[in-house]
Amino acid sequence: DSGVTQTPKHLITATGQRVTLRCSPRSGDLSVYWYQQSLDQGLQFLIQYYNGEERAKGNILERFSAQQFPDLHSELNLSSLELGDSALYFCASSVGTGGWAQYFGPGTRLLVL
Amino acid sequence: LAKTTQPISMDSYEGQEVNITCSHNNIATNDYITWYQQFPSQGPRFIIQGYKTKVTNEVASLFIPADRKSSTLSLPRVSLSDTAVYYCLVGPAFPGSARQLTFGSGTQLTVLP
Repeated sequence: DSGVTQTPKHLITATGQRVTLRCSPRSGDLSVYWYQQSLDQGLQFLIQYYNGEERAKGNILERFSAQQFPDLHSELNLSSLELGDSALYFCASSVGTGGWAQYFGPGTRLLVL
Repeated sequence: LAKTTQPISMDSYEGQEVNITCSHNNIATNDYITWYQQFPSQGPRFIIQGYKTKVTNEVASLFIPADRKSSTLSLPRVSLSDTAVYYCLVGPAFPGSARQLTFGSGTQLTVLP
């Protein structure tokens, strides 16, 4: 158990819909990272927040957005969902802003039908 | 960003020592080297991190030559449960560096009985 929690574990929705994935980092960790992993794309970094502020952006689509709240939990919002958005979405946390050991949550499996 | 190159796959037998090498020719002065392990449908798990020379923990050793352009993850006496994908990452170590950590394709290690 990494100490990072993600909800929900599974999500099934339809194209065009919007969903919100939630992540609670390990106690004391200030950075939250979001990753997408699909079979054909591998593990893709989406975005990083550090203590409530966006710090780094990766391959995140404009239909996706994220935020980190004052209690340090984070949400990833996915809108106008497409079939290709079906993937595992992982959240990770770390103490610092980069290069430190990241601790990954169990992931949310999203299926868009 | 330091690009990493790893073998796509490796096979080994139970009880053997496995060495997985990662090339990172354009590693920056402030970059650390981090290795993760990932089992199917689970989040990556931090294994080890280092900056130079050798680092050892209860799970693995990490060897980094003086030029830091490569690193080798050493897994002693592997077992079937070590079958997983191993990722090498290179990224900044100090808070305030807003850079991405990029996961490459990883190395699929298969341990055979």
